[in-house]
Amino acid sequence: EADIYQTPRYLVIGTGKKITLECSQTMGHDKMYWYQQDPGMELHLIHYSYGVNSTEKGDLSSESTVSRIRTEHFPLTLESARPSHTSQYLCASTAGTGVWNTEAFFGQGTRLTVV
Amino acid sequence: GDSVTQMEGPVTLSEEAFLTINCTYTATGYPSLFWYVQYPGEGLQLLLKATKADDKGSNKGFEATYRKETTSFHLEKGSVQVSDSAVYFCALSATPGTYKYIFGTGTRLKVLA
Repeated sequence: EADIYQTPRYLVIGTGKKITLECSQTMGHDKMYWYQQDPGMELHLIHYSYGVNSTEKGDLSSESTVSRIRTEHFPLTLESARPSHTSQYLCASTAGTGVWNTEAFFGQGTRLTVV
Repeated sequence: GDSVTQMEGPVTLSEEAFLTINCTYTATGYPSLFWYVQYPGEGLQLLLKATKADDKGSNKGFEATYRKETTSFHLEKGSVQVSDSAVYFCALSATPGTYKYIFGTGTRLKVLA
């Protein structure tokens, strides 16, 4: 069973609010990822990290920001939420320094609705 | 660049029917290939994987063979159950050094009793 957790599972928030989506893993994985999943199910990589103090933007431009101060923690922040940010956000991690073909472990996701 | 193409859904089958979900890929190197499953309201879970050509991944009655000559990794199951209803994603691990995963668009499977 994967040990990667996301909180909250569901969040409904008003426009303009600042929010932070939490993601933590207890597997000691170096690499962590945030995906945005649209209603059509497609996954879009928005941020990733190769380790502490390393963050990169993904393939889909996002107004969110991330930080990686501790190995186990990879929070995503929206400074001012808008209805266009309404989506499912999935966090994932992979193991292996120098190993690139290991499986990705996913959290259960946060479904964000901005009203 | 690297990419994954999988058949569009939804796929609707009766219980005990045979399942095939097609997946093809393009990659510059020698990727590993994966099938993930997403049940309603959940994150993705690894279903099976294959790391080199001609490898067959299998799990829970599902199988997929890494075919380098046809750049394919089709998912099959001989007899589906209602509990297999979910969304299935084909994926590859991208060029070494980037540690990024490329996902297909997902195929929704609905199995009717």
